[in-house]
Amino acid sequence: EVKLVESGGGLVQPGRSLKLSCAASGFSFNDYWMGWVRQAPGKGLEWIGEINQDSSTINYTPSLKDKFTISRDNAQNTLYLQMSKLGSEDTAIYYCARVVLHGYFDYWGQGVMVTVSS
Amino acid sequence: DIQMTQSPASLSASLGETVTIECLASEDIYSNLAWYQQKPGKSPQLLIYYANSLNDGVPSRFSGSGSGTQYSLKISSMQPEDEGDYFCQQSYKFPWTFGGGTKLELK
Repeated sequence: EVKLVESGGGLVQPGRSLKLSCAASGFSFNDYWMGWVRQAPGKGLEWIGEINQDSSTINYTPSLKDKFTISRDNAQNTLYLQMSKLGSEDTAIYYCARVVLHGYFDYWGQGVMVTVSS
Repeated sequence: DIQMTQSPASLSASLGETVTIECLASEDIYSNLAWYQQKPGKSPQLLIYYANSLNDGVPSRFSGSGSGTQYSLKISSMQPEDEGDYFCQQSYKFPWTFGGGTKLELK
């Protein structure tokens, strides 16, 4: 069974950094692109970015490229999202997802809440 | 960025009714479109990809169609478990973008 479990969320002060993790199991992690999507409270979905199998290609949404960094550790079957200079606009549920075919997300984690507030 | 405009923003359907949700792209996305369903408090689930391909395990009452800039998701017979939010997503050009969502309720 494919499972994606995010962790590392919580309350963080504006301007600070936070690193999210996504532990993958039930599939061959190093065979897939992986991505991050977020959803502000009561709002729609926003694609953050995605990373290929050997980390040689990482694509980001332009507005977040200078704040967020996606990485992965294939030995640990884990995907990461390093977030810096956080602002209230970054308050959201953050999902990791497996990417298939051409940019589709076939499995999603349960999501982790990040709240940016003083 | 490619803008994805969904309509309607919300709708209410009776049991057994046919439901159609539309998604309009700001430019031709050559059928690189997916539909997701999100139930309250849950993660999104992939329903349709490449505009009309049904994901494994998705009931056959769901179908997708369209081309160019106009796409639609149809539910042929509304069921209680179909309540939730629906989102379209283009994967033709980076950054991938989602529609604003459609909230579907059972009347």
